[in-house]
Amino acid sequence: EIVLTQSPGTLSLSPGERATLSCRASQSVSAGYLAWYQQKPGQAPRLLIYGASSRATGIPDRFSGSGSGTDFTLTISRLEPEDFAVYYCQQYGNSPLTFGGGTKVEIK
Amino acid sequence: QLQLQESGPGLVKPSETLSLTCTVSGGSISSSSYYWGWIRQTPGKGLEWIGSIYYSGSTYYNPSLKSRVTISVDTSQNQFSLNLRSVTAADTAVYYCARGSGDLGSDYWGQGTLVTVSS
Repeated sequence: EIVLTQSPGTLSLSPGERATLSCRASQSVSAGYLAWYQQKPGQAPRLLIYGASSRATGIPDRFSGSGSGTDFTLTISRLEPEDFAVYYCQQYGNSPLTFGGGTKVEIK
Repeated sequence: QLQLQESGPGLVKPSETLSLTCTVSGGSISSSSYYWGWIRQTPGKGLEWIGSIYYSGSTYYNPSLKSRVTISVDTSQNQFSLNLRSVTAADTAVYYCARGSGDLGSDYWGQGTLVTVSS
């Protein structure tokens, strides 16, 4: 099983600032099958990024993903008020599919 | 717009079977491009993939749950279902159904349903 470790656990930032979230895999993620999701309280996760760097439909371009192998990054270039949420990475190239533990982006 | 909706009991007794159904609307479940899966979320273990099924009936399960899980599909009703046997309090979670693909990950999710295991 591929274990995904996200850091930091919590990121305290102000609107307008840049957020950089990390996801590290215990072994190489097949074909870059790494996704990022945003989750707000009481809601289902929402797909932001797939294939490590491709934005899902309707996702603003302030969200970007990068990385390969075992190290991946989600960057939010300028935080908007609606971006404060929990973010999860997921690898879907190997069974069992696994998720990271999440990074909470909170208002400073 | 594709929509997924979970349904089923919100309370299940220990040792019994948890049964949930996901109804898909706005699109067909019989697409070879996608699989249909169940994911659960608990405060302690976070998001956990339970398993997935293709419209053909091929299934893939998380080894940690495989001995207790069955996922099935009913293409005539555009639904797929989860059965989790011999539940304990540790199975208390919000259960989500979702559409997935080998390229995209999970792009459509249901709203989630809380299932509590308690006598």
